[in-house]
Amino acid sequence: GESVGLHLPTLSVQEGDNSIINCAYSNSASDYFIWYKQESGKGPQFIIDIRSNMDKRQGQRVTVLLNKTVKHLSLQIAATQPGDSAVYFCAENEPGNTPLVFGKGTRLSVIA
Amino acid sequence: GAVVSQHPSRVICKSGTSVKIECRSLDFQATTMFWYRQFPKQSLMLMATSNEGSKATYEQGVEKDKFLINHASLTLSTLTVTSAHPEDSSFYICSARGGGHSSSYNEQFFGPGTRLTVL
Repeated sequence: GESVGLHLPTLSVQEGDNSIINCAYSNSASDYFIWYKQESGKGPQFIIDIRSNMDKRQGQRVTVLLNKTVKHLSLQIAATQPGDSAVYFCAENEPGNTPLVFGKGTRLSVIA
Repeated sequence: GAVVSQHPSRVICKSGTSVKIECRSLDFQATTMFWYRQFPKQSLMLMATSNEGSKATYEQGVEKDKFLINHASLTLSTLTVTSAHPEDSSFYICSARGGGHSSSYNEQFFGPGTRLTVL
């Protein structure tokens, strides 16, 4: 199930199940979105990205969905594995040489 | 993808001392570098943006005299935490953009982070 803690919400899933991590972004001018995975003590690791002219993009075991109408982004992980346990962040970018702005993050915990 | 390194990976210092963190783009020229700070169980917060050869642009609430940023070359940026205090203890992450590996999507490449602990 999903719970909201003081800072990071946590999503717990059984190994083999599909995971869906959600993100609400705030800037309607953003045209590029990325999902990152961060393991403890490490920097963010690129997972998948999507441009605003698309609403879906698939990678290996991962799919990103973008709903610009409600400014919502989701990351779907198929057949979740223990190695997927980490914190996942969405990030948004405006056009031009502007920095990525990160969302709050979700901790994914995979139960073996 | 392009590689960004940080040094040191961990540093412990006494309160009142200064600490320098290096960020290097190893196989591309980074025209822009970004410094983020991450407190436990929180997201990455942008501290400043630096373009090579220019003064850094700091985000609101980040003291430029406390967090000195130098971007003297296209492959190196440094963050110096001056007169560090325990509340500066955090995970500092740099990110670089630009050069031969940049795509039309302006991809940012992230370093592995530096854990600063101020006693």
